[in-house]
Amino acid sequence: DTEVTQTPKHLVMGMTNKKSLKCEQHMGHRAMYWYKQKAKKPPELMFVYSYEKLSINESVPSRFSPECPNSSLLNLHLHALQPEDSALYLCASSQLAGPYNEQFFGPGTRLTVL
Amino acid sequence: DQQVKQNSPSLSVQEGRISILNCDYTNSMFDYFLWYKKYPAEGPTFLISISSIKDKNEDGRFTVFLNKSAKHLSLHIVPSQPGDSAVYFCAASDTDKLIFGTGTRLQVFP
Repeated sequence: DTEVTQTPKHLVMGMTNKKSLKCEQHMGHRAMYWYKQKAKKPPELMFVYSYEKLSINESVPSRFSPECPNSSLLNLHLHALQPEDSALYLCASSQLAGPYNEQFFGPGTRLTVL
Repeated sequence: DQQVKQNSPSLSVQEGRISILNCDYTNSMFDYFLWYKKYPAEGPTFLISISSIKDKNEDGRFTVFLNKSAKHLSLHIVPSQPGDSAVYFCAASDTDKLIFGTGTRLQVFP
């Protein structure tokens, strides 16, 4: 299995809702990532998990809450989002964190906040 | 401040010819670079990478060239095929992070 899966593919939520994005990989990778991509912009890193521990938080607002329950799963919990948070949310994994490790991306979740 | 730049937002190439996508970076500490291809509604797909100890890496139709003194890298695709039509991102590896360029949309026409 050489892919990263993400669910759901699309999500529409109101500003008072609580929802979660899920990401899964079975490649034995020990680093997992959340990125946010706005239209016509490059992906921007949000969080890095290494060996199930949060190693980087790129000053992301607390309305985004990541969770890594085990080495194969990564969640992103969403609460009280703003319309400007609408974007494509990408999950990625790599064998290890750090340079010289290619990151493999999932297809993304297209989030719309109303 | 954009540390990785792709100054051509789009490129159009005839099938069978060479596509050359360019990327510039500002941080001389970057020492590992990657190219990704992205189709609409999909995540980026890893294509090829290069370490700063090399100046060229080849994989099939894809070759990446690195010019450290100019802080410039390029991706050559030859021959170009219609299925290569996508957005191409270069990225620099900075410790645990990838810093992406703004992307170049490649269109290969028959």
